[in-house]
Amino acid sequence: QQQVKQSPQSLIVQKGGISIINCAYENTAFDYFPWYQQFPGKGPALLIAIRPDVSEKKEGRFTISFNKSAKQFSLHIMDSQPGDSATYFCAATISGGYQKVTFGTGTKLQVIP
Amino acid sequence: GAVVSQHPSRVICKSGTSVKIECRSLDFQATTMFWYRQFPKQSLMLMATSNEGSKATYEQGVEKDKFLINHASLTLSTLTVTSAHPEDSSFYICSAVLAQGADGELFFGEGSRLTVL
Repeated sequence: QQQVKQSPQSLIVQKGGISIINCAYENTAFDYFPWYQQFPGKGPALLIAIRPDVSEKKEGRFTISFNKSAKQFSLHIMDSQPGDSATYFCAATISGGYQKVTFGTGTKLQVIP
Repeated sequence: GAVVSQHPSRVICKSGTSVKIECRSLDFQATTMFWYRQFPKQSLMLMATSNEGSKATYEQGVEKDKFLINHASLTLSTLTVTSAHPEDSSFYICSAVLAQGADGELFFGEGSRLTVL
């Protein structure tokens, strides 16, 4: 599988702060970049996703920033809440046909009161 | 959103026995399902792609005789861990594609934690 690099591995943020998770990819054929949120003992759930023709996508407190030339994308969680504490995975896939998703290594986010 | 159900959520078995995990798409038909394995504090590793009515496609390094996958209907795929050993203990997660050519949105099951004693 093609690699998607994710950082940091873990992150502690104060309640109300901004959580930032970064990812980088190599395969320029990737054309769909979802972010997944996973709580302990549960399967991942789609949080937000972006295509490379858009530089930013915002849904509520969650924003993806995409830099196609640098092959990097990031997730920003504004006004972070304790309920956001989870593991976040960035991912990349080539759409069309069936989707074989390549996941990043994950970031464990802890939002402290 | 679409719902994918996995059963059982937890299973403990003795070494040498076989365990079957079911993955069902509850409110949509899934021609393609994926099986992942996740070790503690690690990412999801794709094991195989399951296509309805045909043989599964396994990723490199995954033993097809060890991890039997059957996708007999558009709503059910099963993973059977044969002759399980302690090193097979892991969190197994399935996912389903809502439709062919869709935007890559996968719906994941809740996962099944296998513990082999």
